Amino acid sequence: DVKVTQSSRYLVKRTGEKVFLECVQDMDHENMFWYRQDPGLGLRLIYFSYDVKMKEKGDIPEGYSVSREKKERFSLILESASTNQTSMYLCASSLSGHPNYGYTFGSGTRLTVV
Amino acid sequence: KQEVTQIPAALSVPEGENLVLNCSFTDSAIYNLQWFRQDPGKGLTSLLLIQSSQREQTSGRLNASLDKSSGRSTLYIAASQPGDSATYLCAVSPYTDKLIFGTGTRLQVFP
Repeated sequence: DVKVTQSSRYLVKRTGEKVFLECVQDMDHENMFWYRQDPGLGLRLIYFSYDVKMKEKGDIPEGYSVSREKKERFSLILESASTNQTSMYLCASSLSGHPNYGYTFGSGTRLTVV
Repeated sequence: KQEVTQIPAALSVPEGENLVLNCSFTDSAIYNLQWFRQDPGKGLTSLLLIQSSQREQTSGRLNASLDKSSGRSTLYIAASQPGDSATYLCAVSPYTDKLIFGTGTRLQVFP
């Protein structure tokens, strides 16, 4: 069964900490995405990667960076966590050039910044 | 800019009812439209994907339709069950590799 795995289901971090959220997929997909989900705002794209070491800003990249050193792994980095980054974070992957193959999502990481 | 709207935002129905969830989008230039289910605190599970050239897709008790010209999609759930309780999200894939989501319909089916 194909999977997107997010390493943590729940995280609690302190303001100012550097936070790493990890996502791994086993489908050999080129595209990987990080979304955050907040009540009333829906899912918003933070960053998108279409190949190793390639990245593109989404709608809300401020306060975040990403790393993609290997095809299967896409990391979201909060350089200095703030309380307004408390949210549900969702990782997804898809096959490049084949939008009708759909997306696969991970189970999410609930991050709380205190 | 593509915008996706879902109505209603919340719905509570007794078991056994047939339901219609609505999704509208402002730009018809899309590859496809997808419906997802999300259980509380969990990730998204893909339910149905309708390609832009298709009118509908069916999976079990679920049927999704797409009218690209009018910017609308509906998700029909037949004979609803308490296990159908979840948030349902629609998303469109414009002519890029990204998805644009609606804010969802929270469904509760009570026994």
